[in-house]
Order: sequence, then structure tokens, then C-alpha cells
Amino acid sequence: SAVISQKPSRDICQRGTSLTIQCQVDSQVTMMFWYRQQPGQSLTLIATANQGSEATYESGFVIDKFPISRPNLTFSTLTVSNMSPEDSSIYLCSVYLARGETQYFGPGTRLLVL
Amino acid sequence: GDSVTQMEGPVTLSEEACLTINCTYTATGYPSLFWYVQYPGEGLQLLLKATKADDKGSNKGFEATYRKETTSFHLEKGSVQVSDSAVYFCALEADVYKLSFGAGTTVTVRA
Repeated sequence: SAVISQKPSRDICQRGTSLTIQCQVDSQVTMMFWYRQQPGQSLTLIATANQGSEATYESGFVIDKFPISRPNLTFSTLTVSNMSPEDSSIYLCSVYLARGETQYFGPGTRLLVL
Repeated sequence: GDSVTQMEGPVTLSEEACLTINCTYTATGYPSLFWYVQYPGEGLQLLLKATKADDKGSNKGFEATYRKETTSFHLEKGSVQVSDSAVYFCALEADVYKLSFGAGTTVTVRA
């Protein structure tokens, strides 16, 4: 199993500002992901955080808006840039341990943009 | 592409009632299937999983069987409790190791 922590757990931000979310895992993992869960909706994959190289973004998500860092095998950050109210969501990181096992999810960061 | 279609809610039940949440999938190959649960104010937790056809996942009184012939993975519980009130997500893991989630079903159990 894996224990994942995220910081901050929640935040209220002003339009036009940026927020960086941290994800820390208690063991080295190969694959880390970032998801967004908009209010009342399902989870949507934003990107795969690759260690030592640029993140791989899903359709509809771009690096300028959601820059991601992955400096090592236990840590990653997601920045939500130039925020608007439409960015109000829960942002979750997850780690993948082995095929067919499961992905473990962090507790999420609840973001409200005013 | 790979996708999951999940019964939409909300679903409201009385305690000790039976719960079934339907989930069907479309995928190439043989995906692994999962049910995740999100309790109010909490993060996403794995409820159960199945990695191949005819596998039955079970946890906390919930069960789901991987049915390849009907491409389904329905979630069932014979007697629900108030503490089962949550949002339930069906998901599949495709070949690229990414999870695709269903829309989620909100379940409310009344005492």
C-alpha cells in the first residue's frame, strides 16, 4: 500500500492568482498522476507526472495552465495558474504501484476560486 | 476508446435495503475493474477490484463480479447501513495504466 499526503488540504484563492499543490508519498513509486474532480462530477485525469522529464498531459489540459514538477520518486507538485472560478475543484494526486493492483489516491486539495 | 457507463443517481434507500449500482464498460483487451468510494468530506478509497473475468471482488459487505460476456461489473450489497452513504465510482484500468471513471452514483441511506 501507499500513504499519500497533499498540501494544502483546502484553499480559497482570488481570481488571477496561482496555487501550488504538493503531493508526498511514503515510498518510491514509478507512476504518479494528477486528477481533477469538478463539483458534482467524476474524476478527470489531468496528467501523468514523469520523474526527470516533462509531464504527459491529457486532452484539454496544457502545461501553461497546469505546470507539474516531479523532482524525485516520492514527490510532485501541481500548479493551477491564473485561476478563474471554473478552476474550483478537488485536485487529487494518485500513485500506481503495479498493474491490476490499484491506484492509491491522496486526500485531495479542495480549491475555491473567488 | 475505453469508457465506463454507470447508473446515475441519486439513490436513496432505507437501512437494511438491498443496493445495486449498475456499471458497464467498453474496452479493448482485458481491463482491470474497480469500485471506489468517496465518503462525505473524504478522499477516494478503493472499495474492491477484479482483475479478470469471473473474478468477484468483495469488501465491507459489498460485492461485484467481473462479467466479460455482459461487460458489466455491478456493485451489490444485501443490507445497507447509514454509514454506506457515499458516492460510488466504477472505474477501469486500460492498457496504458490509467483509470477511467464512471460518472459516480450518490447513495443516501436513511435510518
